[in-house]
Parts: sequence; C-alpha cells; structure tokens
Amino acid sequence: AQTVTQSQPEMSVQEAETVTLSCTYDTSESDYYLFWYKQPPSRQMILVIRQEAYKQQNATENRFSVNFQKAAKSFSLKISDSQLGDAAMYFCAYRSLHTGANSKLTFGKGITLSVRP
Amino acid sequence: DAGVIQSPRHEVTEMGQEVTLRCKPISGHNSLFWYRQTMMRGLELLIYFNNNVPIDDSGMPEDRFSAKMPNASFSTLKIQPSEPRDSAVYFCASSLISGNTIYFGEGSWLTVV
Repeated sequence: AQTVTQSQPEMSVQEAETVTLSCTYDTSESDYYLFWYKQPPSRQMILVIRQEAYKQQNATENRFSVNFQKAAKSFSLKISDSQLGDAAMYFCAYRSLHTGANSKLTFGKGITLSVRP
Repeated sequence: DAGVIQSPRHEVTEMGQEVTLRCKPISGHNSLFWYRQTMMRGLELLIYFNNNVPIDDSGMPEDRFSAKMPNASFSTLKIQPSEPRDSAVYFCASSLISGNTIYFGEGSWLTVV
C-alpha cells in the first residue's frame, strides 16, 4: 500500500519570503500522480499543483513549484513571494496511475502554514 | 462549470438520528469518493465508486454507515444511527476514472450532539 508522510506539522513564513513544504511517499509503482492541496479555514480542498511521475520536469503554477525527486520519493512544494492568503493547511497526496482499486487519493497528515505580516 | 455539489453544508443532529449527506459529482465524471476529515484521524477515504459501482468500501467504519450511487449524477452517504464520534467534515469528490485530478466539494460539516 502507498503511504504519504508529511513530517512537519507546522511551518511559518514571513510575508514575501519563500517557504518549502516537505513530503515523502512510499510506493512500488513506477507510474503515479502527486498533488498538493490547500485547505484554508473554510475547509474547502483546493488543488494547488500536480505532478505526473513520468514527467521529469518539475511542475510550476505561478508562485508555486515542486521539487520532484522520484528516486528519493520526495515531493516538496515551494511557495515564492508568500502572501497572507497562503496561510492554510497543505496536504500532499498520491494517486496511482492505474484505475481500479488503487485509484483513490492517499493523503499525508498535512502541514499548517502560517504567514507573518 | 459547476463543481462537486454537496448538501447540506452544515448539519447539527441529535445522537441516534439518521443523517443523509448528498453529493452531485461533476458532470461527466465517473469516479466518486467519500472522505471524512477529523482532527484525530485526518482525511480518511470511506468509500469510492467507479461507474456507480462501489469499488472499495473498506474505509466505512461500521454498519451504521452506508453509501449509494443510484445514478451517475447522485450519491448519498447515510449514517443510522448517528453518534457523537461521527462529528466530522465529510467530503465528496469526483474524477474521471482515467483522469489524474480528484476534485472536491465544499464539504458537509456534521455535528452530532
């Protein structure tokens, strides 16, 4: 079974600075997807960024980028120019490429990010 | 485009009562997921469906929980009888079976007193 580990429960960043959130995962599969979801206090789950494991290039979405290290099974999220609205809980998640019994999302425990003005 | 729609958004009920949570997935999506989020256990997958057929219900906590998907555009999660430990945010999510991203509804906040 796949597992996702987010070992840092909380992080804090100064507004306009850069922060990196860590995530590691364990799988025996070679093809899969990785995601970062943001959950603000409203509790809505918002997709931040996704990475296909077969792509070597790291995904970027505006101020958000990932450092995907497939061999190390590491998937960190970098937030540049942090804004107050980035304060939220962030979840790392894994999804198998294969349909069927393994096509669910497996989540890490999440990390709470606070942004200092 | 409409996203995943859940109802009710908030529900407060007394212990022992039946609770029904509803979900309308994104049109065209053929996978539907029910997740539960609590402080203690984080995000847990309860059950998911492919093409309206339950694929994995191993996360359903006990017989008090049941889920149905009578058609491609509607699913329910029922708790009967409800207990205080069922208090949580329940998320419905949908995707294409062959797709990569799972999209979430806004959640149903359940409080059982």
